[in-house]
This record gives sequence, structure tokens and C-alpha cells, in this order.
Amino acid sequence: SQTIHQWPATLVQPVGSPLSLECTVEGTSNPNLYWYRQAAGRGLQLLFYSVGIGQISSEVPQNLSASRPQDRQFILSSKKLLLSDSGFYLCAWSTTGLAGARKDFGPGTRLTVT
Amino acid sequence: DQQVKQNSPSLSVQEGRISILNCDYTNSMFDYFLWYKKYPAEGPTFLISISSIKDKNEDGRFTVFLNKSAKHLSLHIVPSQPGDSAVYFCAASGGGATNKLIFGTGTLLAVQP
Repeated sequence: SQTIHQWPATLVQPVGSPLSLECTVEGTSNPNLYWYRQAAGRGLQLLFYSVGIGQISSEVPQNLSASRPQDRQFILSSKKLLLSDSGFYLCAWSTTGLAGARKDFGPGTRLTVT
Repeated sequence: DQQVKQNSPSLSVQEGRISILNCDYTNSMFDYFLWYKKYPAEGPTFLISISSIKDKNEDGRFTVFLNKSAKHLSLHIVPSQPGDSAVYFCAASGGGATNKLIFGTGTLLAVQP
């Protein structure tokens, strides 16, 4: 069966500091990978998606970047965090095709920028 | 531009009664709709989905109805249980190679014992 991991679970970082969140998927190959953010009181906003190694698409202009160095690894980064980057970050994966409409999510990372 | 809307931020229901959560969408190109349940500080978990070629899908206590002409879908939970208390997100997919999901803002369901 497939499993998706995210770490760290929680993170408190000062404004201006760098960020690196990691997501890995087990039990599948060549998944589509996604980063979502849930800001306080809001829905889930798609930030980045990747259909393969080194292939990253950004959905919204922001202070963040993503990379996919390996097939089942997805990393969310920032060089300098802003207060507005606080939120709950979720990694998700899916297969391709019609079955890929369903996404399975990781446990999330709670980021607080102070 | 909010393509998927959940206009009720919260809903309170008595245990054993029916819970009805609503969702509206604007993009007629969406071809797949999903409902997720989310507890605080956890990732969303998939509940049930429906293809745009159907108007109803049932799985145990959960039924999703789709009205394409009204661009509206609803999730029915019968009977509601206290463990159903969570935030419910409606999501829509336009298919394609990326299969991106567009989420609504969620509805907080509280099932009172």
C-alpha cells in the first residue's frame, strides 16, 4: 500500500529565515505530487504540482519554491520567510489518468512564522 | 475567483439525523467531484467521489448527489454520528495530465450527541 510522509510536523521560524519541508511517498512510482496550503479559516490552496522529476508548476506567485529531486520526493522551500507564509502545509500524491482525480494527503506541517 | 464554493461555514446536527453539506461550482469543465473530511492538525482523508456522468454515488452512510444543470453537489450523511464532526471539503477536478484539485473553503460539521 502507498504511504505519504511529511516532516517536520510542526515548525516555528522567525521572519527572514529559510524553510525546507520534505514529503516522500512510498509504495508507488512516478506519482503526481502536490503542495497545498491551508491558511487560517480558509480552504486548501494549490501551491505547486509536479508530474515528474525536475518538473514543477507553480499555481500562485509567492515567496515559496518547490523541487522534485527524486521520483518520490517533493520539497517546499523558501529563502526568506514572511509572516504571511504561516499556515498548514499539505503534500499530496495521485496516480495519473481518471483515477488520479483522487489525491491522498500527508499528515501536514504546521508552520508558524514569528 | 472561487471556482468551488461552500457557502455554509458551519452546520450543527443532532446525532442520528441527516447531515446535508452543499457545494456549488462555476466551471462546467469539471468532470470529477470529491468530498474530503479533515480533523484539526491532520491531512484531509478521502470520503467519496462522483463522476460528472453520474448523478448519485453511495457508500455506506455517505451519498453524494450531483446536479450538473445547477452546478451543485451535496453530501448526505445518514445517520450522523458524533465521530462525523469535522471540516468537510468539496473538491473538483478538471482532469488532464495534472489532475489538479480545486477545493472549496470547507464546512465545519458538528454532530451533537
